[in-house]
Amino acid sequence: SQQGEEDPQALSIQEGENATMNCSYKTSINNLQWYRQNSGRGLVHLILIRSNEREKHSGRLRVTLDTSKKSSSLLITASRAADTASYFCATDDSNYQLIWGAGTKLIIKP
Amino acid sequence: NAGVMQNPRHLVRRRGQEARLRCSPMKGHSHVYWYRQLPEEGLKFMVYLQKENIIDESGMPKERFSAEFPKEGPSILRIQQVVRGDSAAYFCASSPPSRANEQFFGPGTRLTVL
Repeated sequence: SQQGEEDPQALSIQEGENATMNCSYKTSINNLQWYRQNSGRGLVHLILIRSNEREKHSGRLRVTLDTSKKSSSLLITASRAADTASYFCATDDSNYQLIWGAGTKLIIKP
Repeated sequence: NAGVMQNPRHLVRRRGQEARLRCSPMKGHSHVYWYRQLPEEGLKFMVYLQKENIIDESGMPKERFSAEFPKEGPSILRIQQVVRGDSAAYFCASSPPSRANEQFFGPGTRLTVL
């Protein structure tokens, strides 16, 4: 069964606004990672948050992790057209097998 | 330091043919993982290999699919007698030995079966 589930499935916002995507998972994890995939392209690793961490920042990205609720959120501040992509969360429980959600499609309107 | 390389980037095969997908891990990485992504879906784990060893192939279909990571050369994902349902993007990732969860992904191979 699918471990990570992103919410919403699709999100369309104006350039400059903040975008928030959520990920829920079912079992205990070691780490949770967020990736970006531009249409028809490869995957870009954005950020890894460990199970004992609650929040992590990287540039315009902020990731939170709530292990009690088995959920994570990815916030992109001051969005840009180049942020248009699909965003995936991936969890690992066996230390190597990443389990992926179906992704959130983010569209930034100029 | 070159990233994970995959080739070809696009592969078109007719039903019944064989598809061979190649993956060269990042320098210093000895662990390779293959994932499949169907359209509009997330990635699904297929197989985890170390040099000359298959560690976990629980995500591989039992028939027609095989993977190897020889002592020398790239990792190969081989699909025999392809069917239309094999059409997908196949991603390879690699990691250093001590950090198996920190996987770096290649650009993927998009397989189209006609």
